[in-house]
Amino acid sequence: DAMVIQNPRYQVTQFGKPVTLSCSQTLNHNVMYWYQQKSSQAPKLLFHYYDKDFNNEADTPDNFQSRRPNTSFCFLDIRSPGLGDAAMYLCATSREGRGADSPLHFGNGTRLTVT
Amino acid sequence: TQLLEQSPQFLSIQEGENLTVYCNSSSVFSSLQWYRQEPGEGPVLLVTVVTGGEVKKLKRLTFQFGDARKDSSLHITAAQPGDTGLYLCAGYSSGYSTLTFGKGTMLLVSP
Repeated sequence: DAMVIQNPRYQVTQFGKPVTLSCSQTLNHNVMYWYQQKSSQAPKLLFHYYDKDFNNEADTPDNFQSRRPNTSFCFLDIRSPGLGDAAMYLCATSREGRGADSPLHFGNGTRLTVT
Repeated sequence: TQLLEQSPQFLSIQEGENLTVYCNSSSVFSSLQWYRQEPGEGPVLLVTVVTGGEVKKLKRLTFQFGDARKDSSLHITAAQPGDTGLYLCAGYSSGYSTLTFGKGTMLLVSP
């Protein structure tokens, strides 16, 4: 089945130690998103790629970076994780950037713990 | 500014009860999507409503889009424990190229 896969499901890192989360998709969708979600709150968009075009949200800290080396893969790099960065990180894709026929397809997330 | 307001934020009910979740905005949305997120998983799309006044049914779930396309509701009939999860409404409004999410309604259905 076509899907969005995130690895790992659980990641523990130390305060200040860089960490990378990965996402792959078999849907061949143009758009890939990274969301941060804290305990039963709505997902908060960090950034997204429309094909190779990177779009950063204005309030996303510089500590968060992303790479999309090809259509299928997207990475979230946290350069110096703080305790406040502990959260569920969700990757999502959509066929196009907006529209009723472009819902988001989410992965199951990576739960990040910072010690 | 929160473009989409969801209410209630938390709902705890017994199996068999009915409930309604609301998603309201002062902005017009070209479409609204409803997602359900079960614990430890990513959100999954339930339905998209596009036309003002539209009603869509998904088994025991009924979704309605307001006539002015500023609000939506989700009604669940005879809730079951499997309905437990975080319900999120989301939409594209004018001037925004990405989906705006409401804060969500956490539903707990006890046996």
